[in-house]
Amino acid sequence: GAVVSQHPSWVICKSGTSVKIECRSLDFQATTMFWYRQFPKQSLMLMATSNEGSKATYEQGVEKDKFLINHASLTLSTLTVTSAHPEDSSFYICSARDGGTGGNPDTQYFGPGTRLTVL
Amino acid sequence: LAKTTQPISMDSYEGQEVNITCSHNNIATNDYITWYQQFPSQGPRFIIQGYKTKVTNEVASLFIPADRKSSTLSLPRVSLSDTAVYYCLVGLLYSSASKIIFGSGTRLSIRP
Repeated sequence: GAVVSQHPSWVICKSGTSVKIECRSLDFQATTMFWYRQFPKQSLMLMATSNEGSKATYEQGVEKDKFLINHASLTLSTLTVTSAHPEDSSFYICSARDGGTGGNPDTQYFGPGTRLTVL
Repeated sequence: LAKTTQPISMDSYEGQEVNITCSHNNIATNDYITWYQQFPSQGPRFIIQGYKTKVTNEVASLFIPADRKSSTLSLPRVSLSDTAVYYCLVGLLYSSASKIIFGSGTRLSIRP
């Protein structure tokens, strides 16, 4: 149980284009999802917290107009990197909190990550 | 903010027990302690979670002293496949007052 998927697992795009990354909770409903970014040899950095049906809360320094987050259902959140540039190249990871009756609500379950390369 | 401090790296050998300690001096009363394992180019994988005393599952044990200002992840009889980065997190996910901050993690290297 508690499986989180991401799609695509990797993507290469040209500078100036937009890329959408999907995060799905496969066997539980996620009222809250989180988006992280990780650069090589570094730790995960929280970008934003996404709650189903409401606007995402962005961390300081993260441009909300560049990193669009939509959490339209209890099993799906999307991150769109708009007008991507080479400096946006990174490993993007989502996680989900089990908001159902089963599992511990304080536990995050992570997706496998998406490697974004902007040329 | 409940910041955590862990050793940057540790080395051990196959078959040994490995203990990784995390300091979290500012832990709040309602905070839980959670440990994750991360392999290169993969998302973190949940290992174990606890609030106080000792918790054990099929892969690890978590020791938490009474003051909860630190915790120790214990991996029994490690193998080469346990080479990874281990993160200690402290917080309460559904509380906006408790941010989720990843520390630097501990890079564990297991040798034959």
